[in-house]
Amino acid sequence: SQKIEQNSEALNIQEGKTATLTCNYTNYSPAYLQWYRQDPGRGPVFLLLIRENEKEKRKERLKVTFDTTLKQSLFHITASQPADSATYLCALGGGTASKLTFGTGTRLQVTL
Amino acid sequence: SAVISQKPSRDICQRGTSLTIQCQVDSQVTMMFWYRQQPGQSLTLIATANQGSEATYESGFVIDKFPISRPNLTFSTLTVSNMSPEDSSIYLCSVREGGTGNQPQHFGDGTRLSIL
Repeated sequence: SQKIEQNSEALNIQEGKTATLTCNYTNYSPAYLQWYRQDPGRGPVFLLLIRENEKEKRKERLKVTFDTTLKQSLFHITASQPADSATYLCALGGGTASKLTFGTGTRLQVTL
Repeated sequence: SAVISQKPSRDICQRGTSLTIQCQVDSQVTMMFWYRQQPGQSLTLIATANQGSEATYESGFVIDKFPISRPNLTFSTLTVSNMSPEDSSIYLCSVREGGTGNQPQHFGDGTRLSIL
């Protein structure tokens, strides 16, 4: 069955450093991959989308890579700030169903 | 992007009762979805709400337990029927403006449901 894995343990980093979050998947050939941010008590907020034929996508301090050979996406936040503290979810989609399948998310904590 | 309002934001219900959750969008959208998110878990798709026709349910979810209405392109309801403690969860409404999957989805802030 399809499986999406994100680090279940929280990632703690210091302000100003680059945070790197990982999304691995198996038994899936997604046409695209999306990253969302979720704050406590709120719904997920869309951040970035990358397609299977794209290697890298950037938006301000965010960068996403997508390696379909490794079946992995990396999500980077450069110059991280305490306001970046949240849970980050990856979601995969593609095919005729056009549905997103979400990972469990990784909690990022940025400290001063 | 679309703004989504969900009501109620939270509720505590008795076992065996039913609760209807409303989702209102500030613009017409093609696709509306209902998800469930249990504590520490991923989002699980319950169903796709189809305007003017029966919802499309995912494996493990049935219409008798989770009836869904979508009378127009801006509104949908999800009812959680005959509730048990296992139904305690966060229920989220989500929309996608286009019909294809490679577009962002927008979410409401969810309904936090506790069953006693």
